[in-house]
Amino acid sequence: QKEVEQNSGPLSVPEGAIASLNCTYSDRGSQSFFWYRQYSGKSPELIMSIYSNGDKEDGRFTAQLNKASQYVSLLIRDSQPSDSATYLCAVKNNQGGKLIFGQGTELSVKP
Amino acid sequence: DAMVIQNPRYQVTQFGKPVTLSCSQTLNHNVMYWYQQKSSQAPKLLFHYYDKDFNNEADTPDNFQSRRPNTSFCFLDIRSPGLGDAAMYLCATSRDRSYWQYFGPGTRLTVT
Repeated sequence: QKEVEQNSGPLSVPEGAIASLNCTYSDRGSQSFFWYRQYSGKSPELIMSIYSNGDKEDGRFTAQLNKASQYVSLLIRDSQPSDSATYLCAVKNNQGGKLIFGQGTELSVKP
Repeated sequence: DAMVIQNPRYQVTQFGKPVTLSCSQTLNHNVMYWYQQKSSQAPKLLFHYYDKDFNNEADTPDNFQSRRPNTSFCFLDIRSPGLGDAAMYLCATSRDRSYWQYFGPGTRLTVT
């Protein structure tokens, strides 16, 4: 079992729709959870972090965390073609602080 | 602006010819990381420095070495690049191990 698993993708949504990206993790000791966006040929860019159960909203982005289910998700409301990118879920525990990445989900927003 | 800078952005080297990639940061972060990312794969951590303390990943080949002469700079040395080492190399920094990581723009390495 991979430590961090994401939807295989690619995920295609129409412009204006809600894109839902999911991630599960295996280490119950994980404390910090991050979503990075990576455009093709570019480096990862942090878009959301979440540390406690529940929802965290930032503009069109909402991160959701459920530690009991070992599940974290990212919702993108009113998706735009500029949101088309690969979204990497990353999980960290506080022992050693190593960031474990999922394989990424490629999102395509169609005009 | 505080940032992470990587040089060069594109590097072409010959098979077996040593190459050095550099990373500098103005964030004054304690931790600096080097990742290797191949096409359609997740970034793979090679090693990191917590201040001057070097931490190597168990599966990082001996061919890869790193130096951190001061807080601002960190170097990745590939002693004898093979064709399989062609990848994007990402430098990241973090204020502390528990904080999020900020990535530089990356260096695209081609091995001919």
